[in-house]
Amino acid sequence: EDQVTQSPEALRLQEGESSSLNCSYTVSGLRGLFWYRQDPGKGPEFLFTLYSAGEEKEKERLKATLTKKESFLHITAPKPEDSATYLCAVQASGNTGKLIFGQGTTLQVKP
Amino acid sequence: DSGVTQTPKHLITATGQRVTLRCSPRSGDLSVYWYQQSLDQGLQFLIQYYNGEERAKGNILERFSAQQFPDLHSELNLSSLELGDSALYFCASSVGRKNEQYFGPGTRLTVT
Repeated sequence: EDQVTQSPEALRLQEGESSSLNCSYTVSGLRGLFWYRQDPGKGPEFLFTLYSAGEEKEKERLKATLTKKESFLHITAPKPEDSATYLCAVQASGNTGKLIFGQGTTLQVKP
Repeated sequence: DSGVTQTPKHLITATGQRVTLRCSPRSGDLSVYWYQQSLDQGLQFLIQYYNGEERAKGNILERFSAQQFPDLHSELNLSSLELGDSALYFCASSVGRKNEQYFGPGTRLTVT
């Protein structure tokens, strides 16, 4: 069964303290791995798509990497405005766009 | 702003009732997806439509149905509502093979 597990569930950082969020997945043929940011009560906001092991993408203080079994979202020198829930999702091979989401990591960055 | 719109923003209704949630995708996007988000289940895929045709189904209850119209907007119909149906319902849209899904602001459904 296709599955996505994110860790940790919650992470508290001081402003400027870099860290990484983990997304482990098991899927029958990976078509894509997606990272989203979600603020409370709002819709997920698309961040990155990764398609193959070794691929990396960057956006401001965020960098996403992908291996054959997991993805990491690295946050460098975070600011309070980076506080949010970060969701990882996978799309399995096939002709559908169905995304399977992990439970998310809730990040709090304190000033 | 993702360009995906959903109405209404909030909906409060009683058990046994029927509601309709509406979604307009981003301009040019042919695929529409519906997801349910509850505290204990996280984001769960319900159903996908592509250019008016059903493409994929997830764990969607038989009491729920959806359709996509010729102008590409979509509606999700929830009937015989139960307390456990209270959740956030999101619509997303995408275009092409990249499948980058852009989510709307959601409809918060409360069943009392």
